[in-house]
Amino acid sequence: DIVMTQSPDSLAVSLGERATINCKSSYSVLSRSNNKNYLAWYQQKPGQPPKVLIYWASTRESGVPDRFSGSGSGTDFTLTISSLQAEDVAVYYCHQYYTTPSTFGQGTKLEIK
Amino acid sequence: QVQLQESGPGLVKPSQTLSLTCTVSGASISSGGYYWSWIRQHPGKGLEWIGYISYSGRTHYNPALGSRLTMSVDPSKNQFSLKVNSVTAADTAVYLCARAKSRDNSGNSDWFDPWGQGTLVTVSS
Repeated sequence: DIVMTQSPDSLAVSLGERATINCKSSYSVLSRSNNKNYLAWYQQKPGQPPKVLIYWASTRESGVPDRFSGSGSGTDFTLTISSLQAEDVAVYYCHQYYTTPSTFGQGTKLEIK
Repeated sequence: QVQLQESGPGLVKPSQTLSLTCTVSGASISSGGYYWSWIRQHPGKGLEWIGYISYSGRTHYNPALGSRLTMSVDPSKNQFSLKVNSVTAADTAVYLCARAKSRDNSGNSDWFDPWGQGTLVTVSS
């Protein structure tokens, strides 16, 4: 199985500041055939299911604010929130769908400093 | 708008069988092209993919759980179901259903979207 490791486990950022979450996979999730990274990011707020924010490592889901961006390739990926808002408090997960079984990172809890 | 909703008992005794159903609205399972998925989240923990089923009944299970799992689909009711037998306390979790676009017949899919709200299943005597 591909192991997904996120860092940090928790993060406290001031409102309006940048938040950066990292995700590392134990195997490359970049497909040579189509040059796509099979990596998604989800946001989960308390009592709610995960919601997809980013797929193909950097494609923002429709309706997701443009302060959310994804980058990276191969085994190293980053989710960046350019200017933290109060409603961004949540746990964030990366997810590889390159191969079965698809696997998730352990989650990063984002709080307001 | 596609919506999924889990249902089933919230309490299961050890060694018994956990049974859950996911009802889909806003889309037809019979239309194909998707894997209908189960994912669980242990209390305060991360996400674990359990497995998924296609509209035709083709299943793909997480090998870590596979021998205890059975998934089924009922296109006439627009529902799919999960059974986990011989449960223990380690199966206590929030169980979520979700949809993922299928890429091939080997069980590879795209990201999960949308998700059901999830249902807590506690294994306890």
